[in-house]
Amino acid sequence: DADVTQTPRNRITKTGKRIMLECSQTKGHDRMYWYRQDPGLGLRLIYYSFDVKDINKGEISDGYSVSRQAQAKFSLSLESAIPNQTALYFCATSPSGTTEAFFGQGTRLTVV
Amino acid sequence: GDSVTQMEGPVTLSEEAFLTINCTYTATGYPSLFWYVQYPGEGLQLLLKATKADDKGSNKGFEATYRKETTSFHLEKGSVQVSDSAVYFCALSGSARQLTFGSGTQLTVLP
Repeated sequence: DADVTQTPRNRITKTGKRIMLECSQTKGHDRMYWYRQDPGLGLRLIYYSFDVKDINKGEISDGYSVSRQAQAKFSLSLESAIPNQTALYFCATSPSGTTEAFFGQGTRLTVV
Repeated sequence: GDSVTQMEGPVTLSEEAFLTINCTYTATGYPSLFWYVQYPGEGLQLLLKATKADDKGSNKGFEATYRKETTSFHLEKGSVQVSDSAVYFCALSGSARQLTFGSGTQLTVLP
């Protein structure tokens, strides 16, 4: 089983719909991250959390929200999806004291 | 703020050719530097890292040396294989304790 699991792996949704992407990890890491990947732009940080009570905005947080339900779970929500949120989304974790990240397999989201 | 500039792709090489992917960075202080690899349909995996100036990271035949004087961390491999075809990302971790990624370089190795 994967150490960092993202669900769903693929999702097509309509403009204006609310959607949640989920991430769970079995690595026991305190730190969790959500990134967005677009062609030619690399990965951009949306939100990150260094522990259950710590939530921080990243470079491109507008239009997104997150919830850290437990050390092992970190979900990303799009309150009202729009087409330019079509992208590949990655969850990642890292141990405290390091930024060496371990990534999930990604969720491909298409907003039509 | 922190930034990473990576050689634009795509890069196409024949098997056993020499590979260089250039990476330069801007950061305050003394960042840690990383190369990640993304195989088709998968998430990113750490390939190698270096945490201080003049360190050399190496893994699977790939190498990169942390050059503070030129703010560079170029990825090299002496003889690429078809199985090395992937997207390669240079990244840094600076004072903000977050990873900042370059735009990625697509490598295709032909048999």
